[in-house]
Amino acid sequence: DGGITQSPKYLFRKEGQNVTLSCEQNLNHDAMYWYRQDPGQGLRLIYYSQIVNDFQKGDIAEGYSVSREKKESFPLTVTSAQKNPTAFYLCASSLRTGGNEQYFGPGTRLTVT
Amino acid sequence: EDQVTQSPEALRLQEGESSSLNCSYTVSGLRGLFWYRQDPGKGPEFLFTLYSAGEEKEKERLKATLTKKESFLHITAPKPEDSATYLCAVQSWSGGGADGLTFGKGTHLIIQP
Repeated sequence: DGGITQSPKYLFRKEGQNVTLSCEQNLNHDAMYWYRQDPGQGLRLIYYSQIVNDFQKGDIAEGYSVSREKKESFPLTVTSAQKNPTAFYLCASSLRTGGNEQYFGPGTRLTVT
Repeated sequence: EDQVTQSPEALRLQEGESSSLNCSYTVSGLRGLFWYRQDPGKGPEFLFTLYSAGEEKEKERLKATLTKKESFLHITAPKPEDSATYLCAVQSWSGGGADGLTFGKGTHLIIQP
């Protein structure tokens, strides 16, 4: 079955620690995205990547970093510089950028205390 | 800056009671408007893409329409399993900006048996 996987489903960290969220897709999509969802707010774009070894900042990139070494994988690191890291993180992919629908993974709920 | 406003925030209907959800948008040039369904604790599920005013798409009890300023998601004779949060998102030809989607806050729909 083709799709997007995110792991783990739940993640707990202490304040001051960096944490990496995994995102893998086997849809052969070129573009991948990371969004953050908070209660009462719309999804907000953190980073996106159109091709391997290239990525762009979204609207709320501060405190986050990404890499795109393989087409299938787009991990997100939440650094200690992110002031409010507790949130639901969603990874998505699309065939190409520009007008193509994005397909989402199941999400990772990160709690930092 | 792209903006998406969804109304109402929440809607409670009886099973079989048809209604519509609204998505008003402001973009510099619409590349695509997307509807998603999201169940609690899960990633959004893609429903429809609309590209130009006058376009309509249907899937089972759902029908999405598009004008130059807004989109409607019509739900005909809903069933309890249609209960979910429905998200609207836009992508624009803003050029040089993020290639991601701008989301509304969603409409939380409850269908009572």
